[in-house]
Amino acid sequence: GAVVSQHPSRVICKSGTSVKIECRSLDFQATTMFWYRQFPKQSLMLMATSNEGSKATYEQGVEKDKFLINHASLTLSTLTVTSAHPEDSSFYICSAHATSGRAGTGELFFGEGSRLTVL
Amino acid sequence: GDSVTQMEGPVTLSEEAFLTINCTYTATGYPSLFWYVQYPGEGLQLLLKATKADDKGSNKGFEATYRKETTSFHLEKGSVQVSDSAVYFCALTSLGWGKFQFGAGTQVVVTP
Repeated sequence: GAVVSQHPSRVICKSGTSVKIECRSLDFQATTMFWYRQFPKQSLMLMATSNEGSKATYEQGVEKDKFLINHASLTLSTLTVTSAHPEDSSFYICSAHATSGRAGTGELFFGEGSRLTVL
Repeated sequence: GDSVTQMEGPVTLSEEAFLTINCTYTATGYPSLFWYVQYPGEGLQLLLKATKADDKGSNKGFEATYRKETTSFHLEKGSVQVSDSAVYFCALTSLGWGKFQFGAGTQVVVTP
């Protein structure tokens, strides 16, 4: 079936550094991808909508300068957490809407998630 | 705005017990409804979905029926296994595919 892959799955970094998380759709094109953040034992919070070739749309309360999103191609979106701090530690999950290819059912596919720990 | 409410967990069951997780929603228009499952340390996987009223989604022994009159989409399984231990999320989308509204999630723990 359609697969969305995230990398890295786990990352530990020092406070003040930047971390990049990649989200790839492996066998379909995704003009739109979504980034979610999940706190322990809580639901997913939509952070932003990533649009290929244009600026991301951020949800209210999400700092766009803190969470940089780039959607450079139809199969890749990246989330960069800039100047990370311990409160940024979380589980980040991307999803992609399959609009074409054999997965073109409109279904939303999720990546495996990336657990960020900021020391 | 759209919202999803699901029963709080954790729900602890013995193997082969009957499982029900309640989910109700509010939405404009005619949403599509989903159940996603998250196993420990993993991302979300689609469990089942229903796109219109009275549709029944089913997968891996789980079932849920889209009830427009009660705005509900309760998840059921007749006989759970230890491997069903996970967090289950009810979700909807009514703004076009992709932008989902999730419930808070219900943790299910199945003991041998």
